[in-house]
Order: sequence, then structure tokens, then C-alpha cells
Amino acid sequence: DAGVTQSPTHLIKTRGQQVTLRCSPKSGHDTVSWYQQALGQGPQFIFQYYEEEERQRGNFPDRFSGHQFPNYSSELNVNALLLGDSALYLCASSSRRTGDPDTQYFGPGTRLTVL
Amino acid sequence: GDSVTQMEGPVTLSEEAFLTINCTYTATGYPSLFWYVQYPGEGLQLLLKATKADDKGSNKGFEATYRKETTSFHLEKGSVQVSDSAVYFCALKSGGYQKVTFGTGTKLQVIP
Repeated sequence: DAGVTQSPTHLIKTRGQQVTLRCSPKSGHDTVSWYQQALGQGPQFIFQYYEEEERQRGNFPDRFSGHQFPNYSSELNVNALLLGDSALYLCASSSRRTGDPDTQYFGPGTRLTVL
Repeated sequence: GDSVTQMEGPVTLSEEAFLTINCTYTATGYPSLFWYVQYPGEGLQLLLKATKADDKGSNKGFEATYRKETTSFHLEKGSVQVSDSAVYFCALKSGGYQKVTFGTGTKLQVIP
């Protein structure tokens, strides 16, 4: 049973560029959440997708957007990159329909560096 | 809003020592509480959880009890091993959705 997968593993961009990160949830999971983890900090909630809609959003600007596909996979898009966007971006999946809705499974993350 | 405060690290212990990592929280309603662990070079893994007051979560020798009266969820282990060296995050989930609020993490280093 594959866990949560994310791509790419690492990414280097320059200020002002746009980036897309991808996430495939754990098999059987229908909900995807995205987090930003700055170096030495705890993850910060960006937003959550369920049934292809954004259901909840953290304190992040509109430059951060996302999408969920019918197969439950998800993308995180960040426009007009800033140096401060450099971080580890984590995807977490969970299930509202079955299993334990309290438990999120995290992927290994995508390390984004903005120069 | 929701928040989690955990003791700052790093915490350095000798193998077989007793571990306590303190965690307190602020939340509306009755949150679920979690401890996550992040081993070097790896992603976050759920270590244990508790969903209501007085529940005790346990896994791999680690324990934490949901104390509503003190809004705390301290992590304990009776005898740590070198392999327990990692960063530990206390977290909570409240409300109808699954947003998880994390603390800043406590780095644990266990020396032989």
C-alpha cells in the first residue's frame, strides 16, 4: 500500500517565478491538506481540499492556490515567488468517509528554494 | 485562535534516561491532540494521539495523557534509545475540519 507521495523532491526557483507541487494521497484517502514548514519551525496549514473544493484555508496570501483532481491527487501552486517562500512543503492525506478522520498521513515533502 | 506551546530544545539525554517533553495548548471546544515525530531526512509520522479528556495515547514506549484541566499533553518515555533521536511536534485539531496546528518542535538527541 503506497503512502503519500510528493513530487518533485527538490526544486530551485528564482524570485517572481511560479511553481507547481504535486501530491498523491494514500490509497483510500479523499482529503488532502498542504502545509509549509520553514526551517526549524513546525508546519503551518495552507489549505485543505475535499471533493475537489478548497474547504479550509490558513493565513496564506492568494499567491498560494491549489487544485484537487477526481482521483484525489492535488497540486499546490505558488505565484510570484518570494525569498520567504523557501521551505519544505508537506502534503497530508486523510479520509472523511472511512477509517480514522483524525489521522493525517504525511508525505516526505518538497524542498523549495527560492533564489 | 488555536495554538500549541512546547518546550524548546534541543534536549540531550543519555540512553535509558527518562524523557518528558512538555506541551500545552489553547483551543476552542474539545480538540484532538497528537504527537508527531520527524526523523532526520524523513517526513512527519504520527506517534500517538488522544481524542478526549483523560485519554492516554501510547506507541513505541511513548505515552501522553490528555489533561483538559491543565490544557496539557506532555510526552513521556521511560527509557530512551539512540534511535529515538528526532524532532517531536505536539499538535492539535479542532473544529469540524482537519486543520492541524503544530508547535515549533523539540529536538531530542540521545547519546550512548
